[in-house]
Amino acid sequence: QQKVQQSPESLIVPEGGMASLNCTSSDRNVDYFWWYRQHSGKSPKMLMSIFSNGEKEEGRFTVHLNKASLHTSLHIRDSQPSDSALYLCAASMGGSNAKLTFGKGTKLSVKS
Amino acid sequence: NSKVIQTPRYLVKGQGQKAKMRCIPEKGHPVVFWYQQNKNNEFKFLINFQNQEVLQQIDMTEKRFSAECPSNSPCSLEIQSSEAGDSALYLCASSPGETLYFGSGTRLTVL
Repeated sequence: QQKVQQSPESLIVPEGGMASLNCTSSDRNVDYFWWYRQHSGKSPKMLMSIFSNGEKEEGRFTVHLNKASLHTSLHIRDSQPSDSALYLCAASMGGSNAKLTFGKGTKLSVKS
Repeated sequence: NSKVIQTPRYLVKGQGQKAKMRCIPEKGHPVVFWYQQNKNNEFKFLINFQNQEVLQQIDMTEKRFSAECPSNSPCSLEIQSSEAGDSALYLCASSPGETLYFGSGTRLTVL
């Protein structure tokens, strides 16, 4: 059964600092990775997706993917208190209908 | 704000009672997913539909779970005989392609 492992389980960073979150899939058939963010009491919202090896940047958020190791990482620079949330990594075998398998998430707290 | 509408927001049932929740996917999204998120934030995929047809589903928890997505009606997820372990946040998501757009969820508490 496909597993998605995330680390660390929780992370505290100072306001303005860099947060780095990790995610690895155990299924070599996985093609697509997503990062979702879920604020407390809210539903998950897609933050970034990555399907190709390399790096993708959107504003303060950068995501890396190494397909050989099935490892993706999310980096948040200049972290803000509003970034405090549960960050969920999800992976799928691709295709528009494929189910996503989620990790347990990293709980990020940004302290001012 | 999410355009996936889930009702009710909260549902409280006794053990053995039937629990039913509904989801209206975002207009134009042909694919609908149901996930269960437990108190440890673990997501469990339940079922997905494309245009009313089931694409994939887990062994629906000893057949206590059923779901449908009829045309021109809300999608629904029903638990025939609720158990304490079913207490969780049930999330519906719709998708135009790869990205899932989640509703606010139905939080089920089974007493």
